[in-house]
Amino acid sequence: AQKITQTQPGMFVQEKEAVTLDCTYDTSDQSYGLFWYKQPSSGEMIFLIYQGSYDEQNATEGRYSLNFQKARKSANLVISASQLGDSAMYFCAMREAYSGGSNYKLTFGKGTLLTVNP
Amino acid sequence: EAGVAQSPRYKIIEKRQSVAFWCNPISGHATLYWYQQILGQGPKLLIQFQNNGVVDDSQLPKDRFSAERLKGVDSTLKIQPAKLEDSAVYLCASSLAGTGSEAFFGQGTRLTVV
Repeated sequence: AQKITQTQPGMFVQEKEAVTLDCTYDTSDQSYGLFWYKQPSSGEMIFLIYQGSYDEQNATEGRYSLNFQKARKSANLVISASQLGDSAMYFCAMREAYSGGSNYKLTFGKGTLLTVNP
Repeated sequence: EAGVAQSPRYKIIEKRQSVAFWCNPISGHATLYWYQQILGQGPKLLIQFQNNGVVDDSQLPKDRFSAERLKGVDSTLKIQPAKLEDSAVYLCASSLAGTGSEAFFGQGTRLTVV
């Protein structure tokens, strides 16, 4: 079973509009972390935002916010006021402990390609 | 603070040849990851080190891939012999421990096997 599911292979948004990128995850752990990364065509992976499983408030970082619905196991990324430079691949990732507890794996979804149109 | 350094940036080899990639993580980061990213897909973990010990190499094709982490710092990933399907970007990342520590990535090595 996939640990991280991103159901949108591609999304389009008009410049200055908001867009939501979906992510669902699967874990039986109580303690885990959820991350979103951006990967432009140049290839580097850029960390955007983090949500801890015990955090009660949704994380926000500038124009990025994470809509965390723990019961539904979803962690959607919301980008407000899209800019042309937001065009990139976006990956959702989860950090959870290996069985035994003291080491942590980081698993990625397949990504969503976001295109911002002028 | 210096980031994760990887070299080379690009490599083209013929099938059945060998190749090695190098990674220098951020100072103080005990966890080091090697990911393989095939074009259009998400990164797939090949191997994870904690200091110089292997935590997870379940997805490493051990008949052709090997990796080591010298003295818990630098790491090398080797492929011998390479196959066409090994063409991908190889990403090295490092992090502190814990669920909340983000991984910092290097720029990657783009390998083309012809």
